Amino acid sequence: QVQLVQSGAEVKKPGASVMISCRTSGYTFTNYAIHWVRQAPGQRPEWMGWINGGKGDTKYSQNVQGRVTFTRDTSASTAYMELRGLRYEDTAVYYCARGTTPDVWGKGTTVTVSS
Amino acid sequence: EIVLTQSPDTLSLSPGERATLSCRASQSVSSYLAWLQQKPGQPPRLLIYDASNRATGIPARFSGSGSGTDFTLTISSLEPEDFALYYCLHRTNSYSFGQGTKLEIK
Repeated sequence: QVQLVQSGAEVKKPGASVMISCRTSGYTFTNYAIHWVRQAPGQRPEWMGWINGGKGDTKYSQNVQGRVTFTRDTSASTAYMELRGLRYEDTAVYYCARGTTPDVWGKGTTVTVSS
Repeated sequence: EIVLTQSPDTLSLSPGERATLSCRASQSVSSYLAWLQQKPGQPPRLLIYDASNRATGIPARFSGSGSGTDFTLTISSLEPEDFALYYCLHRTNSYSFGQGTKLEIK
């Protein structure tokens, strides 16, 4: 079955960077986009952008553009999200999800920004 | 930027009743509107995509309708496991979520 397995929780200091991985299985990685979505405690999900699993082109939301980079390793069927210049308000659960309309989601990676 | 507004914020109903949730877009999103369900500590789960198509494995009691700016998610007869948060999501040149409707047990 289709699975998206994310890397483990992270605790970072303000100004640091974080990279989260999303290892996929059960489908052809290059046929689907991967979205990145984050959700701060008690808030609605926030779409961060997507990466095309095949071509590698990306689209970023205006909220994080300039601080975030999506990459992928097709040989490992894995997508990555790097967020730089972390702020307290970046504390959230970060999800990867597959597809034009996200239909399969990872379980999430908690990122805590704390001094 | 397209803004999605959901109503009501909270809906209190009993098992077996019919639930009607609404999502209004600030400009047309054609039929590019999805509905997702989220329970505490879990990722969102796709229910409906492109306004009216049930995702794989979603029970027939869930249905979606609408186009343009006004959309509805209907749950025909509530089961205990349906009490959760529901979000709408548009996919146009960008994506964004509505603020959510909490469906709670009356």
